[in-house]
Amino acid sequence: RKEVEQDPGPFNVPEGATVAFNCTYSNSASQSFFWYRQDCRKEPKLLMSVYSSGNEDGRFTAQLNRASQYISLLIRDSKLSDSATYLCVVIRYGGSQGNLIFGKGTKLSVKP
Amino acid sequence: DAGVIQSPRHEVTEMGQEVTLRCKPISGHNSLFWYRQTMMRGLELLIYFNNNVPIDDSGMPEDRFSAKMPNASFSTLKIQPSEPRDSAVYFCASSRGKEQFFGPGTRLTVL
Repeated sequence: RKEVEQDPGPFNVPEGATVAFNCTYSNSASQSFFWYRQDCRKEPKLLMSVYSSGNEDGRFTAQLNRASQYISLLIRDSKLSDSATYLCVVIRYGGSQGNLIFGKGTKLSVKP
Repeated sequence: DAGVIQSPRHEVTEMGQEVTLRCKPISGHNSLFWYRQTMMRGLELLIYFNNNVPIDDSGMPEDRFSAKMPNASFSTLKIQPSEPRDSAVYFCASSRGKEQFFGPGTRLTVL
């Protein structure tokens, strides 16, 4: 089983729709969680951190469920510019900052 | 700030040739990471440095791959000899906290 798993999609949604992605992780020792965004043929960029209490940034809401070991990202009122691949990222500590584990990403395509 | 700088942006080479990828991290960042991204395997960490010292190279696929960081502002990833299965996008990233900042990547094609 992969350490971080995501539905690859693609999710094809119309503008204005609400879309949600889930990500599951297998290592219960995982301690920090993030969503990165990667545009086509570009580098990944941090979208938002994910906190246990849930957090919101404009149209984006991230949730963490430690008991079930999954992370979610909700995008409301989706825009054409939201089209990208969304990477779920998990850090497990153990003295190594490099333990950043990326999911393979979920592709979102927002259509007019 | 110019961000993480990588060169070359594209590299096409023939099997058996040596390939050297270069990275300049963001000034002030003390950690540097080399990743490889393919459709099949996604984004994989190859090696990372903290304060110019290699900390974890367990992701380096085999001895053909080597990485150096001679100073805080420069790192190289070398593949010798290159093979077609090395074709991928190689990203360098730097950080001084949890967030990693990625360079634009080097798209490597080995024929």
